[in-house]
Amino acid sequence: DAGVTQSPTHLIKTRGQHVTLRCSPISGHKSVSWYQQVLGQGPQFIFQYYEKEERGRGNFPDRFSARQFPNYSSELNVNALLLGDSALYLCASSLREGSSYNSPLHFGNGTRLTVT
Amino acid sequence: AQSVTQLDSHVSVSEGTPVLLRCNYSSSYSPSLFWYVQHPNKGLQLLLKYTSAATLVKGINGFEAEFKKSETSFHLTKPSAHMSDAAEYFCVVSRLTGGGNKLTFGTGTQLKVEL
Repeated sequence: DAGVTQSPTHLIKTRGQHVTLRCSPISGHKSVSWYQQVLGQGPQFIFQYYEKEERGRGNFPDRFSARQFPNYSSELNVNALLLGDSALYLCASSLREGSSYNSPLHFGNGTRLTVT
Repeated sequence: AQSVTQLDSHVSVSEGTPVLLRCNYSSSYSPSLFWYVQHPNKGLQLLLKYTSAATLVKGINGFEAEFKKSETSFHLTKPSAHMSDAAEYFCVVSRLTGGGNKLTFGTGTQLKVEL
């Protein structure tokens, strides 16, 4: 079975532009989460979606938004890009919405976003 | 609130020697604890997860971690390091019940394995 797939793998944007990142979860997984990993730091939680509804949101500005489609794939959108948005964006899927213990997250390889 | 503190940002060992990566946690609730590994330009791979049934948790690739409630620690160990173990390791905490599936990561420990 394919793991979590993310596209594109790398992206270069200019300040003020908009970006869309895409994620396909493992087959059968209904929950998708997004994390931002700035160089030298641990990943930070951005969003969780389950059954197409937002179930959790981290401490990120409204420039960040996401959605989940009927096939459980997901998009992360970032508007008005800032230099500080440069990071590795990780998507993770899990079988269920709840506890990480019972439904561990499986991560994709990420999209490396560079804002110049 | 919950958090994890990884006590070493870098650890260097020789191949064949033991590995110890230290992690302390803070949680108002009974925590779920995990260790993830990240190889360069790769996503995160789950090494092991804490189950309340056993304080010593065995993971993949010979890694294990011991949950010590009295010390609020969840240190990761391996008896003998291999070159392929060189990577970044993250200690992670999440709530055991409810609260969705949000993970809180430590700042990471970069493991270097030398010949």
